[in-house]
Amino acid sequence: EDQVTQSPEALRLQEGESSSLNCSYTVSGLRGLFWYRQDPGKGPEFLFTLYSAGEEKEKERLKATLTKKESFLHITAPKPEDSATYLCAVQFSGGYNKLIFGAGTRLAVHP
Amino acid sequence: EPEVTQTPSHQVTQMGQEVILRCVPISNHLYFYWYRQILGQKVEFLVSFYNNEISEKSEIFDDQFSVERPDGSNFTLKIRSTKLEDSAMYFCASSEFGASGSYQPQHFGDGTRLSIL
Repeated sequence: EDQVTQSPEALRLQEGESSSLNCSYTVSGLRGLFWYRQDPGKGPEFLFTLYSAGEEKEKERLKATLTKKESFLHITAPKPEDSATYLCAVQFSGGYNKLIFGAGTRLAVHP
Repeated sequence: EPEVTQTPSHQVTQMGQEVILRCVPISNHLYFYWYRQILGQKVEFLVSFYNNEISEKSEIFDDQFSVERPDGSNFTLKIRSTKLEDSAMYFCASSEFGASGSYQPQHFGDGTRLSIL
């Protein structure tokens, strides 16, 4: 069965303390891996798309990387406003356009 | 910045009643989707819609559910004879038709919280 697993479930950081979130996947024929940010009571907000192993994308304090089995979301010198749930989702061959989501990592950044 | 809008933000309905959730996708997008998120659980795919027909649906999307694009701007999800377990946040999403055919990022609305009593 196709699976997307995110770790850790929750992460507490001090402001400025860099860390990484992990998304591992077992889908066959990955077509795209997507990172989203979700604030409480809101919909997922698109951050990055990664299509092939070795690809990297950056936006402000966030950097996403992709290997053949997992993706990392690196957060450099986080600020309290980076606090949110970060979701990973994949599209795969045979899955047409649907996204399979992981359960997310709840990030709390404290001043 | 263009965005997906959903109405209402919160819908409370008696069990057994019909409910229609409404979405206005981003104007130049051609693919439309519904997902749901039960409290504390993962976001789950329900259905995708392209060229005025369903392109894929999940096991959750049974005969109780239907989707429609009644005009050039709206996209609706109808749930007939609602059940307690239909209580969830329902998200609409849309995406462009990419040069490669698909796999463009899906952009989500802020959802409709559906509460079945």
